[in-house]
Amino acid sequence: EPEVTQTPSHQVTQMGQEVILRCVPISNHLYFYWYRQILGQKVEFLVSFYNNEISEKSEIFDDQFSVERPDGSNFTLKIRSTKLEDSAMYFCASRSRDRGHVNTQYFGPGTRLTVL
Amino acid sequence: AQSVAQPEDQVNVAEGNPLTVKCTYSVSGNPYLFWYVQYPNRGLQFLLKYITGDNLVKGSYGFEAEFNKSQTSFHLKKPSALVSDSALYFCAVRVLSGNTGKLIFGQGTTLQVKP
Repeated sequence: EPEVTQTPSHQVTQMGQEVILRCVPISNHLYFYWYRQILGQKVEFLVSFYNNEISEKSEIFDDQFSVERPDGSNFTLKIRSTKLEDSAMYFCASRSRDRGHVNTQYFGPGTRLTVL
Repeated sequence: AQSVAQPEDQVNVAEGNPLTVKCTYSVSGNPYLFWYVQYPNRGLQFLLKYITGDNLVKGSYGFEAEFNKSQTSFHLKKPSALVSDSALYFCAVRVLSGNTGKLIFGQGTTLQVKP
């Protein structure tokens, strides 16, 4: 069964450093998402991506964040200068186009980002 | 604004007993509702969804959920709990405006099933 994969599973970085989180969505999916979950809190939407551009972003997704689909398979989240409060679990998700049916978002296993 | 609430931080049940994890929602228009489960150090796994049709939706691992429009609820249920059901459960609603289809999650409910 196809699944969303994410690398690395755990990333430790120093404050101010850049990090890139990688995701491989399910191959025939067209809509891609990043969510984050700060420890003990709810899952929050960060950004959605469709047709090679951002379709929506939350207020969390400021200028320090960017997303890219550099090739036909990967979907990346970059944080340019990490802050302590960026420490969280980051989930990638993808779904196929709705065709008279509301399709499900499938989530990857997450990347735990720890900023020291 | 659309929102989801899970009023219980934790639900404790004995193995073999029925379980209910509660979820209420607030949306404009028809809701698209989802349940996901998160096991320790794992991602979110899809359990089931309500889009339209029958109010009782069946999903993975024997779970089901009942959509109640008048009470704006979508409670997750299982007739007989297993210890292996112990996990964190999230209710979510899909935002209807625009084409992004982002999900808004409740705060999560920890289900503890004791032998």
